[in-house]
Amino acid sequence: EAGVTQSPTHLIKTRGQQATLRCSPISGHTSVYWYQQALGLGLQFLLWYDEGEERNRGNFPPRFSGRQFPNYSSELNVNALELEDSALYLCASSLESGGAGYGYTFGSGTRLTVV
Amino acid sequence: GQSLEQPSEVTAVEGAIVQINCTYQTSGFYGLSWYQQHDGGAPTFLSYNALDGLEETGRFSSFLSRSDSYGYLLLQELQMKDSASYFCAVREAGRRALTFGSGTRLQVQP
Repeated sequence: EAGVTQSPTHLIKTRGQQATLRCSPISGHTSVYWYQQALGLGLQFLLWYDEGEERNRGNFPPRFSGRQFPNYSSELNVNALELEDSALYLCASSLESGGAGYGYTFGSGTRLTVV
Repeated sequence: GQSLEQPSEVTAVEGAIVQINCTYQTSGFYGLSWYQQHDGGAPTFLSYNALDGLEETGRFSSFLSRSDSYGYLLLQELQMKDSASYFCAVREAGRRALTFGSGTRLQVQP
Protein backbone atom coordinates (compact mmCIF):
# COMPACT_ATOMS: atom_id res chain seq x y z
CA GLU A 1 0.00 0.00 0.00
CA ALA A 2 1.22 3.49 -0.79
CA GLY A 3 2.29 5.57 2.18
CA VAL A 4 1.59 9.22 2.88
CA THR A 5 2.86 11.26 -0.04
CA GLN A 6 3.79 14.92 0.07
CA SER A 7 4.67 17.35 -2.67
CA PRO A 8 6.80 19.14 -3.49
CA THR A 9 9.84 17.72 -1.72
CA HIS A 10 11.55 21.07 -1.66
CA LEU A 11 10.16 24.57 -2.11
CA ILE A 12 12.01 27.87 -2.20
CA LYS A 13 10.00 31.07 -1.86
CA THR A 14 10.67 34.72 -1.35
CA ARG A 15 9.53 36.54 1.77
CA GLY A 16 5.96 37.81 1.33
CA GLN A 17 4.99 35.14 -1.20
CA GLN A 18 2.52 32.30 -0.69
CA ALA A 19 3.36 28.61 -0.48
CA THR A 20 1.07 25.65 -1.14
CA LEU A 21 1.99 22.21 0.15
CA ARG A 22 0.09 19.04 -0.69
CA CYS A 23 -0.51 15.75 1.07
CA SER A 24 -2.18 12.48 0.12
CA PRO A 25 -3.01 10.21 3.06
CA ILE A 26 -2.92 6.45 3.14
CA SER A 27 -5.98 4.98 1.45
CA GLY A 28 -8.74 4.59 4.02
CA HIS A 29 -7.36 7.20 6.39
CA THR A 30 -9.71 10.14 6.83
CA SER A 31 -7.65 12.21 9.28
CA VAL A 32 -4.78 14.38 8.11
CA TYR A 33 -2.44 16.29 10.43
CA TRP A 34 0.07 19.00 9.58
CA TYR A 35 3.17 19.69 11.66
CA GLN A 36 6.01 22.15 11.38
CA GLN A 37 9.52 21.04 12.31
CA ALA A 38 12.12 23.78 12.38
CA LEU A 39 15.72 22.62 11.98
CA GLY A 40 16.84 20.57 14.96
CA LEU A 41 13.59 21.09 16.83
CA GLY A 42 10.49 19.12 17.70
CA LEU A 43 7.20 18.88 15.85
CA GLN A 44 4.78 21.75 16.31
CA PHE A 45 1.13 20.98 15.62
CA LEU A 46 -0.42 23.12 12.90
CA LEU A 47 -3.75 21.72 11.74
CA TRP A 48 -5.94 18.62 11.88
CA TYR A 49 -8.53 17.76 9.24
CA ASP A 50 -11.04 14.96 9.43
CA GLU A 51 -13.85 14.15 7.00
CA GLY A 52 -13.28 17.41 5.17
CA GLU A 53 -13.51 19.64 8.23
CA GLU A 54 -10.87 21.51 10.20
CA ARG A 55 -11.04 19.96 13.69
CA ASN A 56 -8.18 21.67 15.50
CA ARG A 57 -5.46 24.18 14.89
CA GLY A 58 -2.27 24.85 16.81
CA ASN A 59 -0.85 28.15 17.99
CA PHE A 60 -0.04 29.53 14.57
CA PRO A 61 -1.24 32.77 12.96
CA PRO A 62 -4.19 32.76 10.53
CA ARG A 63 -1.85 33.03 7.54
CA PHE A 64 -1.38 29.30 8.02
CA SER A 65 -4.48 27.68 6.59
CA GLY A 66 -5.54 24.65 4.63
CA ARG A 67 -8.28 22.40 3.51
CA GLN A 68 -9.16 18.78 2.98
CA PHE A 69 -10.69 17.56 -0.25
CA PRO A 70 -13.44 14.92 -0.73
CA ASN A 71 -10.76 12.30 -1.49
CA TYR A 72 -9.16 13.16 1.91
CA SER A 73 -6.05 14.69 0.40
CA SER A 74 -5.07 17.98 1.96
CA GLU A 75 -3.41 21.26 1.17
CA LEU A 76 -1.54 23.60 3.50
CA ASN A 77 -1.28 27.24 2.50
CA VAL A 78 1.11 29.69 4.07
CA ASN A 79 0.52 33.32 3.12
CA ALA A 80 2.82 36.32 3.53
CA LEU A 81 5.83 34.09 4.07
CA GLU A 82 8.37 35.11 6.69
CA LEU A 83 11.95 33.94 7.04
CA GLU A 84 11.08 32.01 10.21
CA ASP A 85 8.60 29.90 8.26
CA SER A 86 11.57 28.02 6.85
CA ALA A 87 11.12 24.48 8.14
CA LEU A 88 10.21 20.90 7.29
CA TYR A 89 6.44 20.58 6.98
CA LEU A 90 5.22 17.10 7.79
CA CYS A 91 1.86 15.61 6.97
CA ALA A 92 0.54 12.53 8.74
CA SER A 93 -2.57 10.41 8.49
CA SER A 94 -4.17 7.96 10.87
CA LEU A 95 -6.70 5.18 10.78
CA GLU A 96 -8.71 6.51 13.68
CA SER A 97 -9.78 10.02 14.49
CA GLY A 98 -7.22 11.18 17.03
CA GLY A 99 -4.77 8.54 15.95
CA ALA A 100 -3.08 7.91 19.26
CA GLY A 101 -3.69 4.17 19.43
CA TYR A 102 -2.81 3.23 15.88
CA GLY A 103 -0.17 5.86 15.47
CA TYR A 104 0.41 8.41 12.80
CA THR A 105 2.01 7.56 9.48
CA PHE A 106 4.09 10.50 8.35
CA GLY A 107 5.07 11.56 4.88
CA SER A 108 8.66 12.50 4.07
CA GLY A 109 7.82 16.18 4.30
CA THR A 110 8.22 19.34 2.29
CA ARG A 111 11.33 21.38 3.02
CA LEU A 112 10.26 25.03 2.71
CA THR A 113 12.98 27.64 2.47
CA VAL A 114 12.06 31.31 2.60
CA VAL A 115 14.71 33.71 1.32
CA GLY B 1 -2.15 23.44 27.81
CA GLN B 2 0.35 20.69 28.12
CA SER B 3 4.08 20.15 28.24
CA LEU B 4 6.42 17.21 27.80
CA GLU B 5 9.98 16.99 28.98
CA GLN B 6 12.62 14.61 27.73
CA PRO B 7 16.44 14.78 27.73
CA SER B 8 17.91 16.52 24.71
CA GLU B 9 20.68 14.02 24.10
CA VAL B 10 21.76 10.54 25.18
CA THR B 11 24.91 8.64 24.19
CA ALA B 12 25.41 4.88 24.53
CA VAL B 13 27.57 2.14 23.07
CA GLU B 14 26.60 -0.62 20.72
CA GLY B 15 25.04 -3.59 22.52
CA ALA B 16 24.10 -1.58 25.59
CA ILE B 17 20.67 -0.70 27.00
CA VAL B 18 19.41 2.88 27.08
CA GLN B 19 16.33 4.42 28.68
CA ILE B 20 14.77 7.67 27.41
CA ASN B 21 12.47 9.30 29.93
CA CYS B 22 9.46 11.49 29.31
CA THR B 23 7.43 13.42 31.87
CA TYR B 24 4.27 15.20 30.90
CA GLN B 25 1.69 17.64 32.16
CA THR B 26 -1.62 17.49 30.40
CA SER B 27 -5.33 17.60 30.97
CA GLY B 28 -7.41 14.60 29.99
CA PHE B 29 -4.57 12.19 29.28
CA TYR B 30 -5.25 9.61 26.56
CA GLY B 31 -1.95 7.80 26.34
CA LEU B 32 1.75 8.16 25.59
CA SER B 33 3.23 7.47 22.18
CA TRP B 34 6.83 7.18 20.97
CA TYR B 35 8.23 8.00 17.55
CA GLN B 36 11.65 7.56 15.96
CA GLN B 37 13.10 9.96 13.42
CA HIS B 38 16.38 9.45 11.57
CA ASP B 39 18.17 12.52 10.23
CA GLY B 40 16.42 13.70 7.09
CA GLY B 41 13.65 11.16 7.51
CA ALA B 42 10.03 11.05 8.56
CA PRO B 43 9.01 10.18 12.13
CA THR B 44 7.87 6.58 12.47
CA PHE B 45 5.51 5.22 15.11
CA LEU B 46 7.12 2.93 17.68
CA SER B 47 4.65 2.33 20.50
CA TYR B 48 1.60 3.48 22.41
CA ASN B 49 0.77 3.04 26.09
CA ALA B 50 -2.73 3.83 27.30
CA LEU B 51 -2.52 1.86 30.54
CA ASP B 52 0.16 1.56 33.22
CA GLY B 53 2.85 -0.99 32.62
CA LEU B 54 5.37 -2.22 30.13
CA GLU B 55 4.73 -2.89 26.43
CA GLU B 56 7.40 -4.88 24.61
CA THR B 57 8.03 -4.93 20.87
CA GLY B 58 11.24 -6.72 20.00
CA ARG B 59 14.25 -4.78 21.24
CA PHE B 60 12.08 -1.79 22.17
CA SER B 61 9.88 -1.51 25.26
CA SER B 62 7.77 1.37 26.49
CA PHE B 63 6.56 1.99 30.02
CA LEU B 64 3.87 4.23 31.45
CA SER B 65 2.96 5.33 34.97
CA ARG B 66 -0.17 7.49 34.81
CA SER B 67 -0.01 8.35 38.51
CA ASP B 68 3.51 9.75 38.06
CA SER B 69 2.80 11.34 34.63
CA TYR B 70 5.91 9.55 33.46
CA GLY B 71 6.95 7.13 30.81
CA TYR B 72 10.09 5.81 29.19
CA LEU B 73 11.32 4.09 26.08
CA LEU B 74 13.81 1.29 26.62
CA LEU B 75 16.10 0.23 23.81
CA GLN B 76 18.03 -3.02 24.27
CA GLU B 77 20.95 -4.50 22.35
CA LEU B 78 21.66 -1.13 20.79
CA GLN B 79 22.68 -1.07 17.16
CA MET B 80 24.29 1.72 15.17
CA LYS B 81 21.07 2.08 13.19
CA ASP B 82 19.26 3.09 16.40
CA SER B 83 21.06 6.46 16.24
CA ALA B 84 18.13 8.81 15.74
CA SER B 85 15.86 11.26 17.53
CA TYR B 86 13.11 9.85 19.72
CA PHE B 87 9.95 11.81 20.51
CA CYS B 88 7.31 11.16 23.12
CA ALA B 89 3.83 12.45 22.37
CA VAL B 90 0.50 12.79 24.17
CA ARG B 91 -3.01 13.59 23.08
CA GLU B 92 -4.76 16.40 24.94
CA ALA B 93 -8.46 16.30 25.76
CA GLY B 94 -10.34 18.51 23.34
CA ARG B 95 -7.44 18.72 20.92
CA ARG B 96 -7.06 15.09 19.90
CA ALA B 97 -4.06 15.79 17.70
CA LEU B 98 -0.79 14.66 19.25
CA THR B 99 1.53 17.06 21.03
CA PHE B 100 5.18 16.06 20.71
CA GLY B 101 8.08 16.55 23.06
CA SER B 102 11.20 18.30 21.82
CA GLY B 103 12.94 15.00 21.18
CA THR B 104 15.95 13.08 22.49
CA ARG B 105 18.88 12.62 20.15
CA LEU B 106 20.40 9.18 20.70
CA GLN B 107 23.96 8.60 19.53
CA VAL B 108 25.12 4.99 19.47
CA GLN B 109 28.88 4.64 19.46
CA PRO B 110 30.88 1.56 18.42
